[in-house]
Amino acid sequence: DGGITQSPKYLFRKEGQNVTLSCEQNLNHDAMYWYRQDPGQGLRLIYYSQIVNDFQKGDIAEGYSVSREKKESFPLTVTSAQKNPTAFYLCASSIGTGPEKLFFGSGTQLSVL
Amino acid sequence: SQQGEEDPQALSIQEGENATMNCSYKTSINNLQWYRQNSGRGLVHLILIRSNEREKHSGRLRVTLDTSKKSSSLLITASRAADTASYFCATDVKAAGNKLTFGGGTRVLVKP
Repeated sequence: DGGITQSPKYLFRKEGQNVTLSCEQNLNHDAMYWYRQDPGQGLRLIYYSQIVNDFQKGDIAEGYSVSREKKESFPLTVTSAQKNPTAFYLCASSIGTGPEKLFFGSGTQLSVL
Repeated sequence: SQQGEEDPQALSIQEGENATMNCSYKTSINNLQWYRQNSGRGLVHLILIRSNEREKHSGRLRVTLDTSKKSSSLLITASRAADTASYFCATDVKAAGNKLTFGGGTRVLVKP
């Protein structure tokens, strides 16, 4: 089945630690996105990538980093500089380079120990 | 504040009733999209309406767009318990590059 796979489903971060969230898609989509969702809130864009080896900052990029070495993969690293990382993280992709009809993964819940 | 803001924040209805929620935005858009999210899950795309369209239908869903008022509405007809979810509008803003901005969502509870 085609889709977007996020792993792990739950992740715990210790103080001062960097953690990486995985996002893989087999839809052959060009664009990929990372969103953060806080409880009872909407989604805020962290980073997005329209093509391999290129990505742009979203609205809340500070404390996060990404890479896009392969079309299928768009991992997100939450660095120790992100002081309030507890949130639900959602990865998405879209078929073209524009944000039309995003397909979402099932999310990763990140909590701080 | 966010580009898209939904109203109401929460809605509780009986099965079989219609549910209407609204989205307002601030700047010119290329398109507006509605998504559904079940608790703890990813979002699912429901419908996209372009800036030159006024109304679209998909099954029991009806979306309207009024660009003069910078607002959109989502109507779910003959609601079912399975429609219980949060509904988000998202705008593709003309001046913002290739990214989608989401509102805070409307939480809908359909009681059997």
